[in-house]
Amino acid sequence: AQTVTQSQPEMSVQEAETVTLSCTYDTSESNYYLFWYKQPPSRQMILVIRQEAYKQQNATENRFSVNFQKAAKSFSLKISDSQLGDTAMYFCAFRMDSNYQLIWGAGTKLIIKP
Amino acid sequence: EAGVVQSPRYKIIEKKQPVAFWCNPISGHNTLYWYLQNLGQGPELLIRYENEEAVDDSQLPKDRFSAERLKGVDSTLKIQPAELGDSAVYLCASSLRGGNPYNEQFFGPGTRLTVL
Repeated sequence: AQTVTQSQPEMSVQEAETVTLSCTYDTSESNYYLFWYKQPPSRQMILVIRQEAYKQQNATENRFSVNFQKAAKSFSLKISDSQLGDTAMYFCAFRMDSNYQLIWGAGTKLIIKP
Repeated sequence: EAGVVQSPRYKIIEKKQPVAFWCNPISGHNTLYWYLQNLGQGPELLIRYENEEAVDDSQLPKDRFSAERLKGVDSTLKIQPAELGDSAVYLCASSLRGGNPYNEQFFGPGTRLTVL
């Protein structure tokens, strides 16, 4: 069975700092997709970034980038120049190529302090 | 373009009472998902629709939960009777065809249910 683990329940950094959120997963599949979602206090879940397992290049979206280590089954999210609006729960999620279902981690609460 | 709409945003009921949640997906999205999210946890899928067909309801507690998507557009999730343990946030999401991993799931704001 596939599992997703986020080992940091909560993190707090100063505005403009860089922060890295950790995620590890377990699967025997070779083709899969990894996602980071953001859920602000308003509760609307928003896709931040996506990584295809077959791509060696790490995905980037503006201030957000990932460090995808396939052999280590690690998928961390780096937020550069953090902003107050980045305060939210961040969820790591996994999806097999052969199955539509998302497997979610427990989330990391990120607080950006002014 | 309007996002996924859910109502109500909040609902407080006594245990053993019925409750219903409504979701209107993004126009053109034929795949609709209902998730349950407990505090401090990630979402758990309850049911997935492709158009009006429930293609995966294996995690829906069918003794008390039911869902429908009669015309393949909006959907209703019902609990009858509600139990204390049903207190959670109920999220609705929609996407273009769910089998394509590049079809992003768009989420609604959720309904926070409190059962007293």
